[in-house]
Amino acid sequence: QKEVEQNSGPLSVPEGAIASLNCTYSDRGSQSFFWYRQYSGKSPELIMSIYSNGDKEDGRFTAQLNKASQYVSLLIRDSQPSDSATYLCAVNDNTDKLIFGTGTRLQVFP
Amino acid sequence: NAGVTQTPKFRILKIGQSMTLQCTQDMNHNYMYWYRQDPGMGLKLIYYSVGAGITDKGEVPNGYNVSRSTTEDFPLRLELAAPSQTSVYFCASSPAQGIYGYTFGSGTRLTVV
Repeated sequence: QKEVEQNSGPLSVPEGAIASLNCTYSDRGSQSFFWYRQYSGKSPELIMSIYSNGDKEDGRFTAQLNKASQYVSLLIRDSQPSDSATYLCAVNDNTDKLIFGTGTRLQVFP
Repeated sequence: NAGVTQTPKFRILKIGQSMTLQCTQDMNHNYMYWYRQDPGMGLKLIYYSVGAGITDKGEVPNGYNVSRSTTEDFPLRLELAAPSQTSVYFCASSPAQGIYGYTFGSGTRLTVV
């Protein structure tokens, strides 16, 4: 059974701080990695994708991938209360579908 | 560009009733998926399709059926609704195998009473 693991949280950070969200996956053959943001009562929204080892930055978001450790993370700089949401990690292992983690709930307090 | 459109947004069913959840995408994506999400839980794959005429089961297919007669449409059929099918249902699409991620619809909140 291929798995994607995330800490359910909540992860609480003060406004302006860096939020660090982590995800591990079981299938060493996985090739594509995604982070989705899901606000309460809404559908998941793709915010980052990463395919190669290292860092990928997009605005305040940085995705980090370490295939040797089977670990992917999302850093949110200058966290804002509007970043409060559940963040889902998703992994593709060269099949036709993504495997989703259960998500980490992030709370950013003023 | 509407993306992925799901209807209805909300529905209450009585036990034993049937219904179809509609999903349409206008992005010419070959890959389409149906997920359910229970409160505080992750996404569970019900069925998926890699193209018109092709469907396959996910991890929780029991009690559901799908069809894919066109690239655009991927309806999900619930037969003999049960309280265990109370959930939020999301349809998603993707242009290719696992490369671009999914675009999700806004969801259908279903309650079976």
